[in-house]
Order: sequence, then C-alpha cells, then structure tokens
Amino acid sequence: AQRVTQPEKLLSVFKGAPVELKCNYSYSGSPELFWYVQYSRQRLQLLLRHISRESIKGFTADLNKGETSFHLKKPFAQEEDSAMYYCAPQGEETSGSRLTFGEGTQLTVNP
Amino acid sequence: GAVVSQHPSWVICKSGTSVKIECRSLDFQATTMFWYRQFPKQSLMLMATSNEGSKATYEQGVEKDKFLINHASLTLSTLTVTSAHPEDSSFYICSATTQGGETQYFGPGTRLLVL
Repeated sequence: AQRVTQPEKLLSVFKGAPVELKCNYSYSGSPELFWYVQYSRQRLQLLLRHISRESIKGFTADLNKGETSFHLKKPFAQEEDSAMYYCAPQGEETSGSRLTFGEGTQLTVNP
Repeated sequence: GAVVSQHPSWVICKSGTSVKIECRSLDFQATTMFWYRQFPKQSLMLMATSNEGSKATYEQGVEKDKFLINHASLTLSTLTVTSAHPEDSSFYICSATTQGGETQYFGPGTRLLVL
C-alpha cells in the first residue's frame, strides 16, 4: 500500500539553526517525490521535487532509495520559513499525477 | 502563471441543501483536476480525480452520489455536495495539472459550514 510518513507533527527551531523535516515513504515502483508548503493564510504550493535536484529558498531534499526517505533540509532556518510542510509522493504508473500527502509538519522558526 | 481559483471561498448552508463549488484554471488548460478535503489540523485527503470530458474517479470511501463532480471544460471543474449534512463541513481544495504535467497547482480552498 502507498504510504508516506512525516514523523514530526510539530518542529520548532531558532533562527539560524539547521532544520530537517523527515519524510519516509512506502511505495511501489519509482515514485516522483515532492515537498509542498503552505504558509499562513496562503494556498498550498510546490516547494521542490526530487527530479529537478534544485534548491528552493535554501531548502534541499535528497532521495534515498535505500532508506525510502526524502528528508527536507535547510542549513540556516529563517523566520519566514515558518509554515506547514507536506511530503508527497506522486503516483504509480496507473495513477498519473495523483499525489499522496503526508500528515504534514508544522515548522516554527523562532527569533 | 498557473493560477487556480475557487468559488466561493466560503459558504454556509442549511442541512439538506446542495452546495456547488467551482474550480477554475485561469491561465492554462487543465486536463486533470483533483478534489481534496482537509479537516482542521489534518492533511489533505484526495476525494476524486477529474478528467475533462470523462467521469471522475473517486477514492475508496468517497460517495460519488454525495459528491458530484463535473469537468465539462478544460478550465472548469465543479464539486457539488448534495444533501449536505453537518459532517460534510470541511475545507475543500482543488488542484489542476496539465496533460503529462507533474506539478499540481492548488486553489485557495473553499470552507463549507453546514448548519
């Protein structure tokens, strides 16, 4: 069965500290993996996806197929990073662009 | 680019009435639209996948006669909550993607309160 786990519902760090939001998945085939972010009072938006291997707003995420993980990292957290973060594997061959969302991690960056 | 709108942004209705929520892609053609439901402090739960010109595919446990989805054009999908009850109160979010596209673009959501 398709499953994605974000073990931390809440994560609080101080500004300038490193931050890592964990994501583990259980999926058949080779899913695409995404991180979506929802800032306060805003809509859900794409943060980054593993296939593009890019860094967005200082965040990176490395796909570890051996550990089936896709943890999101940032070396120096900023207050504006406070938001809800969702890890989302995307579909099997038959399900197209269907996403499965994790439970989400609420990140709070304190001044 | 890639903006998705929803209307209304919030709605209050009486139990037993039907409510229609619209999802529009404003600047692109959306071959596929998704409808999600989100309870307070919980994740998004996919309700159904809607492809233009065909019947929607519903997730297990979602009543298709309760949540009617129509995707009549490449820029519009509607979700109708029929005979709404208080337990249908929730935040409904749509997203849209282009053909072959991987990225989903999300609407701002519609908050439904059934009294």
